[in-house]
Amino acid sequence: NAGVTQTPKFQVLKTGQSMTLQCAQDMNHNSMYWYRQDPGMGLRLIYYSASEGTTDKGEVPNGYNVSRLNKREFSLRLESAAPSQTSVYFCASSEGNSYGYTFGSGTRLTVV
Amino acid sequence: KNEVEQSPQNLTAQEGEFITINCSYSVGISALHWLQQHPGGGIVSLFMLSSGKKKHGRLIATINIQEKHSSLHITASHPRDSAVYICAVRSFDSGGGADGLTFGKGTHLIIQP
Repeated sequence: NAGVTQTPKFQVLKTGQSMTLQCAQDMNHNSMYWYRQDPGMGLRLIYYSASEGTTDKGEVPNGYNVSRLNKREFSLRLESAAPSQTSVYFCASSEGNSYGYTFGSGTRLTVV
Repeated sequence: KNEVEQSPQNLTAQEGEFITINCSYSVGISALHWLQQHPGGGIVSLFMLSSGKKKHGRLIATINIQEKHSSLHITASHPRDSAVYICAVRSFDSGGGADGLTFGKGTHLIIQP
């Protein structure tokens, strides 16, 4: 099915471990995003990529890095996980500012 | 920064009732999105609107730009409509690198049979 695919769906990390969240879309969208969702808060933008080869910081980028590997793939890396990064992470894509968004199914990450 | 407020935070209704969820924002916008999130599930885009009204099946979204207010209505509600409904806005001044979407905290809707 066309859409945004995120892996893994669940992950438990120990403090200090690293990991990469993968995201791929097959809709030929230019823009891709990583958000985190925490209880009692709205979705917050971590990083954003307007097009292949470009990335920009969002509202909460500290502790994260991203790579826009090609037009399809946009990965999010935690170099040294902290308990404050326990959250649900969503990848999304869009054709641009004037268009709707397609979201992945989310990654539930727990850092202990 | 645009502030997005949704009301109510929680809503429980009986099957068949007409549902209204409200969204207010503080500064001018270029677009408003309504999203749906089922428990433990992903997020689905329902509507994107910048003026007037849109309808899809039993869902209707309206926006009043002058009053900085939008509503999402569900007619003939059904238990499968139980979900969190999220409002998000794109401000006029969202230039540069960030995409400028500001999200509300969501309205948790439960429709009882």
